[in-house]
Amino acid sequence: EVQLVESGGGLVQPGGSLRLSCAASGFTFTNYAMAWVRQAPGRGLEWVSAILGGVGSTYYLDSVKGRFTISRDNSKNTLFLQINSLRAEDTAVYYCAKAFGGGSFYDHWGQGILVTVSS
Amino acid sequence: EIVLTQSPATLSLSPGERATLSCRASQSVSIYLAWYQQKPGQAPRLLIFDASSRATGIPARFSGSGSGTDFTLTISSLEPEDFAVYYCQQRSKWPPAFGQGTRLEIK
Repeated sequence: EVQLVESGGGLVQPGGSLRLSCAASGFTFTNYAMAWVRQAPGRGLEWVSAILGGVGSTYYLDSVKGRFTISRDNSKNTLFLQINSLRAEDTAVYYCAKAFGGGSFYDHWGQGILVTVSS
Repeated sequence: EIVLTQSPATLSLSPGERATLSCRASQSVSIYLAWYQQKPGQAPRLLIFDASSRATGIPARFSGSGSGTDFTLTISSLEPEDFAVYYCQQRSKWPPAFGQGTRLEIK
């Protein structure tokens, strides 16, 4: 069974940093692209970043480029999102998601982790 | 950047009725469109990919159609558990954007 478990969220002040982690199990992690998708309170889904399988090219939403860094440790089956220079508008539930079929549709999702940016 | 526009924003129907949800892309996405269902407090669930293929375990009452810029998700006969928010998503071009969602509520 595929499982994705996020951790590392919390309350952070504007300008601060967090590192989100997503522990994956139940599939051959290195073979699959992975992504982070966020959802601000009461709002819709917003794709944030993705990393392809293996060594992995990375992709970012324009509004997070230069502030967010996605990475993966295939030896530990873990996906990361380093988020710096946090802004109030980054407040959201962040979901880790597994892609399938070599593309960017997501067939498994974590339960989500809340990041709150507030002073 | 491709923008996806979903309509209507809210759809009020009764169990047993047929639901038709629309998603329009600002430029062609070929067939590279998916539909997700999200219930309160839960992660999204993939329903349909590549416009018309049902994901694993998705009931046959869910169907997708369309290509290019206009897509439809149809739920043939609504069950109580189908009332939720539905999102479309394209993967034709980066970034793989989502639509703003359609809320399907009980009438």
